[in-house]
Amino acid sequence: GAVVSQHPSRVICKSGTSVKIECRSLDFQATTMFWYRQFPKQSLMLMATSNEGSKATYEQGVEKDKFLINHASLTLSTLTVTSAHPEDSSFYICSASPGGQGIEQYFGPGTRLTVT
Amino acid sequence: KQEVTQIPAALSVPEGENLVLNCSFTDSAIYNLQWFRQDPGKGLTSLLLIQSSQREQTSGRLNASLDKSSGRSTLYIAASQPGDSATYLCAVLSGANSKLTFGKGITLSVRP
Repeated sequence: GAVVSQHPSRVICKSGTSVKIECRSLDFQATTMFWYRQFPKQSLMLMATSNEGSKATYEQGVEKDKFLINHASLTLSTLTVTSAHPEDSSFYICSASPGGQGIEQYFGPGTRLTVT
Repeated sequence: KQEVTQIPAALSVPEGENLVLNCSFTDSAIYNLQWFRQDPGKGLTSLLLIQSSQREQTSGRLNASLDKSSGRSTLYIAASQPGDSATYLCAVLSGANSKLTFGKGITLSVRP
């Protein structure tokens, strides 16, 4: 149980274009979903937290107009990187939680974004 | 602000050795602590999760301990194998918003 999928696993896009990444909880309802970014040789950094049906909460330094997050249902959250630039190239990982304080997060397999 | 530290950043050991990976965190008010494995270019595999009320968890050759008051955890790997080579990340869940804070990881290489 507690499986989270991400699509696509890899994406290459040209500078200036937008790309959407999907995160799905396959066998549970995810009240809360999280988006992380990981640069090479670095740890995961939380970008934003989203609760189903409400606006995402972004961490300091993360541009909410650039990284659009939608959590429209209890099983799906999307991250759209708008007007992507080469410095946005990174590994993006989502996690999902049934909600509540102290509840475990379940991680997706990640999406490798390369912006050329 | 919670901070998680893992030292050293890299470790190389011969096959068969027992080893200990360390993790420390600054705020002891945590819900749980989790150890993950990450292979190059891949996502996270959860290894062990220790709730704040627990002292340790075991799974196969892995044993993780938690000393919340001193802000420390260790991951013990018995009889290491080349297949154990990966990056091991420690993360703590804490705060009013239940945020997960990660360490930078320890890259382990087990030599045949």
